[in-house]
Amino acid sequence: QSALTQPASVSGSPGQSIAISCTGTSSDVGGYNLVSWYQQHPGKAPKLLIYEVTKRPSGVSNHFSGSKYANTASLTISGLQAEDEADYYCCSYAGGRGFGVFGTGTKVTVL
Amino acid sequence: QLQLQESGPGLVKPSETLSLTCIVSGSAITSGVYYWGWIRQPPGKGLEWIGSIFHRGNTYYNPSLKSRVTMSVDTSSNQFSLKLTSVTAADTALYYCASPDVDTGVVFYWGQGNLVTVSS
Repeated sequence: QSALTQPASVSGSPGQSIAISCTGTSSDVGGYNLVSWYQQHPGKAPKLLIYEVTKRPSGVSNHFSGSKYANTASLTISGLQAEDEADYYCCSYAGGRGFGVFGTGTKVTVL
Repeated sequence: QLQLQESGPGLVKPSETLSLTCIVSGSAITSGVYYWGWIRQPPGKGLEWIGSIFHRGNTYYNPSLKSRVTMSVDTSSNQFSLKLTSVTAADTALYYCASPDVDTGVVFYWGQGNLVTVSS
């Protein structure tokens, strides 16, 4: 399976909103409402931010939100903060294979 | 709360077999709620699924690694393992164990990662 496509980098100033896209196919992103997003700070394990396209786990700030249209999912970070500077990965369920397919990853820089 | 902890050598010689174990605490590995999986991340690169296993032994491997991967579950010790044969420098990576949800594939819980370097 091919990795989902994400922009390599996105940047914004503190307080701004940014969006990260995640493009797949009808066999993964478009076929299921099972897209998740993970945040990874340097030297740390990824942390779940969003699951099932729009849901946030307990403890995750509501300035992270998710959406999906057709074969493209998006993660929006509203009110960008310095601590949001990290790598972000999307992941989509792709059928009963026991695991999903990750995106290529996006580095978010807070200017 | 589920916790995962990888263990294994940090250095493996080329052509040899990489072996890692993940100890599960906070949940029985036989709960049926999760698959038990492995994800790797080469230095400076993105995440790649290696595969996953259900406690009954059903395995799902990434086609790109399938010929070299074996996963197993030890229910008596509440742990699961990864073996990757014939390693090369391209297998140098941070290896995470993870627990994808059976129904959605979402990974709520991750191990802290085990860096494995392939070098003579």
